[in-house]
Amino acid sequence: AQSVTQPDIHITVSEGASLELRCNYSYGATPYLFWYVQSPGQGLQLLLKYFSGDTLVQGIKGFEAEFKRSQSSFNLRKPSVHWSDAAEYFCAVGPDNTDKLIFGTGTRLQVFP
Amino acid sequence: GAVVSQHPSRVICKSGTSVKIECRSLDFQATTMFWYRQFPKQSLMLMATSNEGSKATYEQGVEKDKFLINHASLTLSTLTVTSAHPEDSSFYICSASPGTGGYEQYFGPGTRLTVT
Repeated sequence: AQSVTQPDIHITVSEGASLELRCNYSYGATPYLFWYVQSPGQGLQLLLKYFSGDTLVQGIKGFEAEFKRSQSSFNLRKPSVHWSDAAEYFCAVGPDNTDKLIFGTGTRLQVFP
Repeated sequence: GAVVSQHPSRVICKSGTSVKIECRSLDFQATTMFWYRQFPKQSLMLMATSNEGSKATYEQGVEKDKFLINHASLTLSTLTVTSAHPEDSSFYICSASPGTGGYEQYFGPGTRLTVT
């Protein structure tokens, strides 16, 4: 069965520091991969997605993610974190031929000034 | 961008009563709506998928008689938790898809249900 693992439950970084949030997936074929951000009182917002092609994808708010098939990973990165980036981040996989999303358990990002 | 609303944002009900949660797509027509349940510090778990005018498709382990889903129009889906119990307390999130493919889903802000 498909699954998504986010090994880090909680990450704390200083404002201006770089960020990498880890995501590993288990899926037989090349999956469709997503990163969402959830802020309190707001719905999940799509940061970026990977379907095919260039393995480095750019998203909104300065985020990027790299698909590495050999490592079954799709880590999210940002070179310089802003205090407003503090939120819950979810990695998700979309199994082929369905519109369903399977979510990881999320990583809570805390940003210190 | 596409906006999805949920109402209420927070509800407290007594055990044994039923509660209805609404999910609306405000500026687009949603051919498909999804209902998720999120436990504290856990992932979003898909409960069911509903298409306008047809019966919802429930995920394995989700009681369809307990979680009634109605997708009466292209902009409204409702989730009714019937005979609620404390273990039904959770954060319920809906998403709506315009049906353009590519896993395009827009999420509502969620509803916090507390059953006392």
